[in-house]
Amino acid sequence: EIVMTQSPATLSMSPGDRATLSCRASQSVSSNLAWYQQKPGQAPRLLIYGASTRATGIPARFSGSVSGTEFTLAISSLQSEDFAVYYCQQYNNWPLTFGGGTKVEIK
Amino acid sequence: EVQLVESGGGLVQPGGSQRLSCAASGFTFSSYAMSWVRQAPGKGLEWVSAISGGGGSTYFADSVKGRFTMSRDTSKNTLFLQMNSLRAEDTAVYYCAKVGAGWVHDYWGQGTLVTVSS
Repeated sequence: EIVMTQSPATLSMSPGDRATLSCRASQSVSSNLAWYQQKPGQAPRLLIYGASTRATGIPARFSGSVSGTEFTLAISSLQSEDFAVYYCQQYNNWPLTFGGGTKVEIK
Repeated sequence: EVQLVESGGGLVQPGGSQRLSCAASGFTFSSYAMSWVRQAPGKGLEWVSAISGGGGSTYFADSVKGRFTMSRDTSKNTLFLQMNSLRAEDTAVYYCAKVGAGWVHDYWGQGTLVTVSS
């Protein structure tokens, strides 16, 4: 099973800051990596797939990148609605696996 | 508009069974794979199972293999998760999700809570 490790567990930021979230795969997943956002009491929402392709309707301030097995989700300028938990998910191998999540909280 | 509505959650005793349903609309149901993903209270996301568009292939996490089965009724645009031999650690909100490109979950339902407790 491919283990997805997200860091940090919590990111304390201010509105307008740039946030950088990391997700590392225990082995190669190619670019088969997605990012999701989840707000309290809500279902997850797809943000990014293919490591760097924004899903429909996702603002341009969200971007994804990859270097080897290290994936990054960047939020260029945090808006109030961006404070949430973010999960990565690999879909290169069975079983599909999620990272443990990064909570972006207001500082 | 894609809509996924789960039902069937509730309180069940350890060792018991529960059947979850997910009613889908707004897309050609038979053309897309589907997944179940769960989230234990206060915890992260855990993929549980997936089924191909035609229903011929199913996939399961090791934690539920042999206890859960997944099926779909394309005539009713409904997805099912049959859960047997339930354990306390199966307590979670269960989400059904539509699979888009690859095995990416592009739309999610609001979830249904399953509580396994005596």
